[in-house]
Amino acid sequence: AQSVTQPDIHITVSEGASLELRCNYSYGATPYLFWYVQSPGQGLQLLLKYFSGDTLVQGIKGFEAEFKRSQSSFNLRKPSVHWSDAAEYFCAVGAYTGNQFYFGTGTSLTVIP
Amino acid sequence: ETGVTQSPTHLIKTRGQQVTLRCSSQSGHNTVSWYQQALGQGPQFIFQYYREEENGRGNFPPRFSGLQFPNYSSELNVNALELDDSALYLCASSSKEGVETQYFGPGTRLLVL
Repeated sequence: AQSVTQPDIHITVSEGASLELRCNYSYGATPYLFWYVQSPGQGLQLLLKYFSGDTLVQGIKGFEAEFKRSQSSFNLRKPSVHWSDAAEYFCAVGAYTGNQFYFGTGTSLTVIP
Repeated sequence: ETGVTQSPTHLIKTRGQQVTLRCSSQSGHNTVSWYQQALGQGPQFIFQYYREEENGRGNFPPRFSGLQFPNYSSELNVNALELDDSALYLCASSSKEGVETQYFGPGTRLLVL
């Protein structure tokens, strides 16, 4: 069965520090992969996506993610975190068989001064 | 360009009632997907509509149903409401059917008492 795992429920980082949010997926073929961010009481905003090609993808707000097929991972990174990055981050998999979408349970990011 | 809009923003119903939630897709988008996000969880895919027909469905019972109209707007209907239906309901639109980049609305917060 398809699934998405975000092992870290909550992460705290200092402003200016680097960030890596983990995402692992289970899917029988190469999936379509997404990272979304959700601020409190808001909908989801797309940060970046991977469909094919270069396994390192760049997104908005200085985020990037790397698809590693051998590890079934799609980790999100940012070299220097800003206080405004505090939010909930969701990794998602699109399974083109059956047009299904699967989201992880999210990682809550706190940024301290 | 108009983004995805949803109405109402908040709703309170009692167990056993029926509810209809509405979504207007982003300009130029012809596909709408609906998600249920329980408190502290990631979004769960309910279904997708394309050309006024259901185009993919998650693991939700038949009392969750939908419609898409010729202008690509959509409704989510939930019959026989249960307490566990309390959640944020998110609508997302995309420019093509299937697994595509989705743009989310702000959601409708439903409380079932």
